[in-house]
Amino acid sequence: DIVMTQSPDSLTVSLGERATINCKSSQSVLDSSKNMNYLGWYQQKPGQPPKLLIYWASIRESGVPDRFSASGSGTDFTLTISSLQAEDVAVYYCQQYYSAPTFGQGTRLEIK
Amino acid sequence: QVHLVESGGGVVQPGRSLRLSCAAAGFTFSTYAMHWVRQTPGKGLEWVALISYDGRIKKYADSVKGRFTLSRDNSKNTLFLQMHSLRAEDTAVYYCARPGGYDLRGYFANWGQGTLVTVSS
Repeated sequence: DIVMTQSPDSLTVSLGERATINCKSSQSVLDSSKNMNYLGWYQQKPGQPPKLLIYWASIRESGVPDRFSASGSGTDFTLTISSLQAEDVAVYYCQQYYSAPTFGQGTRLEIK
Repeated sequence: QVHLVESGGGVVQPGRSLRLSCAAAGFTFSTYAMHWVRQTPGKGLEWVALISYDGRIKKYADSVKGRFTLSRDNSKNTLFLQMHSLRAEDTAVYYCARPGGYDLRGYFANWGQGTLVTVSS
């Protein structure tokens, strides 16, 4: 199985500031023939299922605010929230779907 | 609007069986693969199983292989997860999830609200 490791485990950021979450996979999730990274990002708030934010490593899901962006390729990926809002408090997960899906352990984002 | 509703969770003794259902609406169910994902406080999110749009391809996580069986009834827009020989470590919230595209390998664009399975004596 591909192991996904996120850093940090928790993050405290002031309102309006930038938040950055990293995700590293134990092997590449890039399909070179298609030039596509099989990597998604999710947001989960208490009592709710995960919500898809990003797929194919950098494509924002419809309806997701443009303060959310993501980048990376191969084994190293980043989710960035450009200007933190109160409603962004949540746990964030990365997930690879290159092979049997696996998730990172989650990063808890809180407001300072 | 895609709508997924899980049911069938509850408290069950170790070694017993349970069947979960996922009722789908708002999309052409028969054209999408479907997945189950579970979540525990300790192990986080864990993919459990997938079934192709026509039910011919099924894949399972090693942790449930041989104990869980996935099926679907496309005439009733419903997905099933039959769980046998349940263990304490199967205790989790179980979500059904629909991929964003038609590939078996998918990111999970839509999730149900989940159903809690508790395995305890």
